[in-house]
Amino acid sequence: GDSVTQMEGPVTLSEEAFLTINCTYTATGYPSLFWYVQYPGEGLQLLLKATKADDKGSNKGFEATYRKETTSFHLEKGSVQVSDSAVYFCALSGGGSYIPTFGRGTSLIVHP
Amino acid sequence: DTAVSQTPKYLVTQMGNDKSIKCEQNLGHDTMYWYKQDSKKFLKIMFSYNNKELIINETVPNRFSPKSPDKAHLNLHINSLELGDSAVYFCASSQDNAGGVETQYFGPGTRLLVL
Repeated sequence: GDSVTQMEGPVTLSEEAFLTINCTYTATGYPSLFWYVQYPGEGLQLLLKATKADDKGSNKGFEATYRKETTSFHLEKGSVQVSDSAVYFCALSGGGSYIPTFGRGTSLIVHP
Repeated sequence: DTAVSQTPKYLVTQMGNDKSIKCEQNLGHDTMYWYKQDSKKFLKIMFSYNNKELIINETVPNRFSPKSPDKAHLNLHINSLELGDSAVYFCASSQDNAGGVETQYFGPGTRLLVL
């Protein structure tokens, strides 16, 4: 079945550092790929998405490019802020099954 | 206006009790979901309804029973609560599950603690 693998956290950075959170996936078909963010005490919310190969999703300074050849969708941000501290989930849907598939989440902690 | 709302936000109860969590969405979406998130933030899908019809029913104990009275509401009833049911339960909705390609909108969560 479909699966999503994310790097384990927590990822701890200083403010203004560069962020990469790795995400790879396994799916049949051509899934859409998503990054969701969960701030403390809240539900998940969409951060960005990409629906086909080579698409780049971007929002709030975060970017991720749908790489079909490496089955990856790594999340990047050039300069993180303390307010970016949250848990980030990579997800896919529309692959081999209609069940949305989430990674295990990566906690990001940004220090001033 | 809240897009996906859940009640209650917190629920503390004793083992063996029966409880319900309610979810409503005002986005006009066709599909609604229940997820369970454990203490390590792992998110597990439990159920999904499309236009009041059950379409996803993952490996969940029979003590959990979803009910969708209309496409804007999806409730979760839990019988004979156990310690292991303690978690955060999230409701979500999306426009259409055809191919499952749509963005999901999540509620704020219900924090269930079973004592």
